[in-house]
Amino acid sequence: GAVVSQHPSWVICKSGTSVKIECRSLDFQATTMFWYRQFPKQSLMLMATSNEGSKATYEQGVEKDKFLINHASLTLSTLTVTSAHPEDSSFYICSAPQGTAGYTFGSGTRLTVV
Amino acid sequence: KQEVTQIPAALSVPEGENLVLNCSFTDSAIYNLQWFRQDPGKGLTSLLLIQSSQREQTSGRLNASLDKSSGRSTLYIAASQPGDSATYLCAVRPGGNNRLAFGKGNQVVVIP
Repeated sequence: GAVVSQHPSWVICKSGTSVKIECRSLDFQATTMFWYRQFPKQSLMLMATSNEGSKATYEQGVEKDKFLINHASLTLSTLTVTSAHPEDSSFYICSAPQGTAGYTFGSGTRLTVV
Repeated sequence: KQEVTQIPAALSVPEGENLVLNCSFTDSAIYNLQWFRQDPGKGLTSLLLIQSSQREQTSGRLNASLDKSSGRSTLYIAASQPGDSATYLCAVRPGGNNRLAFGKGNQVVVIP
């Protein structure tokens, strides 16, 4: 089946630095990628939708300058957390729609900002 | 706005018992409904996908039903095993767009 490869699986960074998370579609072309954030024991919260070749659409309350999303090719979407702070520590997951076959999710990235 | 509720939020069962996980949604105009499994610190693994025109889907010990008119889906896991311990998420794709609406999950512990 379709696979979305997400890297890194975990990252620890210092406050004020930036972190890039990558999601690659391995055996299909992902024209759309959804980015979620998940807090402990909570469900997934949609942050933004990226579309290949166009600007991402951000959900209300999500700072577009803080969470930079790039979808430059049909197989790669990236999320960059800029000037990270401890409150940005969370679990980030990407997902690509598969038409009538539902959605495929990446394995997630645990970000810890110290 | 589509709202998805999963009951119970958490449950523990002895090994061998059947599991029944419930999902309800407020807007019956859905495109499909998907059940996922999430292990701690991991991504989501798709279990079953039910199209809006279907009533149920089966895969091994798993069976998911869909009653669109009443806004309900149930995931049955037969003869539970300790390896079934995880959080199960129900996600609804609305008919008008491709953005999933998630429930908060059923956290399951199967006791050996």
